[in-house]
Amino acid sequence: SQQGEEDPQALSIQEGENATMNCSYKTSINNLQWYRQNSGRGLVHLILIRSNEREKHSGRLRVTLDTSKKSSSLLITASRAADTASYFCATDDNNNDMRFGAGTRLTVKP
Amino acid sequence: EAQVTQNPRYLITVTGKKLTVTCSQNMNHEYMSWYRQDPGLGLRQIYYSMNVEVTDKGDVPEGYKVSRKEKRNFPLILESPSPNQTSLYFCASSLINRYNSPLHFGNGTRLTVT
Repeated sequence: SQQGEEDPQALSIQEGENATMNCSYKTSINNLQWYRQNSGRGLVHLILIRSNEREKHSGRLRVTLDTSKKSSSLLITASRAADTASYFCATDDNNNDMRFGAGTRLTVKP
Repeated sequence: EAQVTQNPRYLITVTGKKLTVTCSQNMNHEYMSWYRQDPGLGLRQIYYSMNVEVTDKGDVPEGYKVSRKEKRNFPLILESPSPNQTSLYFCASSLINRYNSPLHFGNGTRLTVT
């Protein structure tokens, strides 16, 4: 069964705007990761945040984690048309397997 | 170049004809996994392997087999494919210490079973 659930399912913004995607999960985790997928291609790892961390930055990406609410958010600042892709959160729980959500489809219009 | 290599990239077959999708990684990763991706359902785990000769079922293992005879290879076997196994398949690997390590994905195998 899926662990993470992304919200919204789809998001359309103009270039230069910020994009925020959310992820909720159900069980306790070791870490939460965000991945990006260009149409039909393999997923590419973006950022990993551990359960004892609250915020992490990588370039234009900012991830937050609230373990009390079992939720995470991914913020992409100053978006570009090249950011158009699907974004997935994945949780690593104590069962040694990774669980993915259904993803958020982001469209950035030039 | 560090990578996960899947073959073939596209595969069209008929119901009941056994097939194998290969997966190989050159990063000396202990952990390997297979996922299928279907519209609206995200990625669902089929099987995973923590190390050589150790495999475990994921969420949707029915109709699939795997083997891990060598650390670098993790083939996915469909003994008798059916149309409901038409999907996009991904192999992935990571270091066993996944507290710090992300998954590395192959480029996918698009399978059509008629």
